[in-house]
Amino acid sequence: GEDVEQSLFLSVREGDSSVINCTYTDSSSTYLYWYKQEPGAGLQLLTYIFSNMDMKQDQRLTVLLNKKDKHLSLRIADTQTGDSAIYFCAESKPGGYNKLIFGAGTRLAVHP
Amino acid sequence: GAGVSQSPSNKVTEKGKDVELRCDPISGHTALYWYRQRLGQGLEFLIYFQGNSAPDKSGLPSDRFSAERTGESVSTLTIQRTQQEDSAVYLCASSRGTEAFFGQGTRLTVV
Repeated sequence: GEDVEQSLFLSVREGDSSVINCTYTDSSSTYLYWYKQEPGAGLQLLTYIFSNMDMKQDQRLTVLLNKKDKHLSLRIADTQTGDSAIYFCAESKPGGYNKLIFGAGTRLAVHP
Repeated sequence: GAGVSQSPSNKVTEKGKDVELRCDPISGHTALYWYRQRLGQGLEFLIYFQGNSAPDKSGLPSDRFSAERTGESVSTLTIQRTQQEDSAVYLCASSRGTEAFFGQGTRLTVV
């Protein structure tokens, strides 16, 4: 099966909070990442969390990591239309380097 | 340059032809990755270079795919005898630590 799994689609109303979820299988992953891909654009790193942390907050973004359940989430507060994009969860495999394994991406649609 | 540069940005090729895709990483970045993204899908790992170590080629889908990198410089991804299923965006990323920076990708269309 896939190493990293995400739901494919999320629709939220402008101003509400969005929560994008991700599960991974490798308990030895060192870092977990959230990337954003806007239409026709490359991937942009939003944030990342080290595997020994539970939470990381950066302005409107909150990352929660449940290492026991191998569950990662990204919460976007006060979601705006500019947040509409595909959000990819990724884990880095151990082994001396950060080989990134990505999920299939969650398409976030923000509507008025 | 300031970021990861990939060329060409778009490539249309006939089935059976060979193509070469180029990636210029950020200067000083020892790690370089190639990924493939098919339409509407996630990123599929292809190959990873780290300095002068042997590359991790575990993601290359067939022996028609190969990649080279000399030291910490430019990398080329070569696809021989292209097939229609090779149509995708090929993304390159470079890193010197925790964060990987992605290029804009090369959109390959095999007709």
